[in-house]
Amino acid sequence: GEQVEQRPPHLSVREGDSAIIICTYTDSATAYFSWYKQEAGAGLQLLMSVLSNVDRKEEQGLTVLLNKKDKRLSLNLTAAHPGDSAVYFCAVSANMGYKLTFGTGTSLLVDP
Amino acid sequence: NAGVIQTPRHKVTGKGQEATLWCEPISGHSAVFWYRQTIVQGLEFLTYFRNQAPIDDSGMPKERFSAQMPNQSHSTLKIQSTQPQDSAVYLCASNRLGEGAETLYFGSGTRLTVL
Repeated sequence: GEQVEQRPPHLSVREGDSAIIICTYTDSATAYFSWYKQEAGAGLQLLMSVLSNVDRKEEQGLTVLLNKKDKRLSLNLTAAHPGDSAVYFCAVSANMGYKLTFGTGTSLLVDP
Repeated sequence: NAGVIQTPRHKVTGKGQEATLWCEPISGHSAVFWYRQTIVQGLEFLTYFRNQAPIDDSGMPKERFSAQMPNQSHSTLKIQSTQPQDSAVYLCASNRLGEGAETLYFGSGTRLTVL
């Protein structure tokens, strides 16, 4: 089945710096890609999702890049601020389109 | 829009007791998903309903776990004879007809602790 690796597991940046999180997946049939944010004690908040026909998507200080050749998905938080401190998960789904396989999470800390 | 509502937020049971977790999807959403989150296993798919019909329960442990969706407004996850290894955060999510797995709206979860 699908395997998703996410790195780094922990990331600490200063306010205003960029933070980059990378996921690699194994199933070439993977067609759906998402990033979620989880704050302490809360559920998962959908940040951004892309389909396999999109290579790059930017929204509100977030950039998602998809490299299908290398089976790599990345999330770039430009100009991070303390409110971005949380755990971030990538999630992918193959052609069935309903079952997500999640990465292991990245705990991001943004120091003021 | 209240979002996906899960109750209770926290539940503590003794080993061997039954636990029932509730989920109210976002109004108008036709699909409901259950996931389990633990430190060791991370986030795991359990089961999925569309228009109240069970579509895929391949992630559900074969014994003791069952899920139902008796109407459009709620789904339940029942764990019989709970064991300490069932301790986890159980997350419910929903989405609209036509939306794929890339767009799930999650509730805040129920933290189950089995003593």
